[in-house]
Amino acid sequence: GDSVTQMEGPVTLSEEAFLTINCTYTATGYPSLFWYVQYPGEGLQLLLKATKADDKGSNKGFEATYRKETTSFHLEKGSVQVSDSAVYFCALTHRDDKIIFGKGTRLHILP
Amino acid sequence: EAQVTQNPRYLITVTGKKLTVTCSQNMNHEYMSWYRQDPGLGLRQIYYSMNVEVTDKGDVPEGYKVSRKEKRNFPLILESPSPNQTSLYFCASSSLTGHGYTFGSGTRLTVV
Repeated sequence: GDSVTQMEGPVTLSEEAFLTINCTYTATGYPSLFWYVQYPGEGLQLLLKATKADDKGSNKGFEATYRKETTSFHLEKGSVQVSDSAVYFCALTHRDDKIIFGKGTRLHILP
Repeated sequence: EAQVTQNPRYLITVTGKKLTVTCSQNMNHEYMSWYRQDPGLGLRQIYYSMNVEVTDKGDVPEGYKVSRKEKRNFPLILESPSPNQTSLYFCASSSLTGHGYTFGSGTRLTVV
């Protein structure tokens, strides 16, 4: 069946550092790929998405590119802020009716 | 504002006492779903609904019930809660158009 694997955390970085959170997937066909973010005490929020190969999703300085050849959707940000501290989930879906989530990566940004 | 509203946000209950967690969305979404989030296990789907009067089991349905009598509401029912149902619960909805899910703020349930 379909699955999503993302790097285990926690990831701790200093403010203004470069961020990469790795995500790879196993799926049949051509799923849509997502990154969700969960801030402390809140629900998940859609951060960005990509629906086909080579698409780049971007939002709030974060980017991820749908790589079909490597089945990856790594999340990147050039300069992180303390306010980016959260848990990040990579996810995939074929038709939006069932989303498969990775286990989440906790990110700590130090001032 | 487009949103999914869950209530209550926090709940402490005793084993065996029936409870209901409500979920309501104002986006006219067809699809609604319940997840539980546990440390080390990530998000696991409990039940989902493709439309009114259409519900189906997710990955961990045991001990839970749902109903979808109206398009906007999708309550989660625990008929006889047990301590292993202590968890953080999320309701989510989707329009099934590839835009992803909208999540509620969560319900933290403790069963003692």
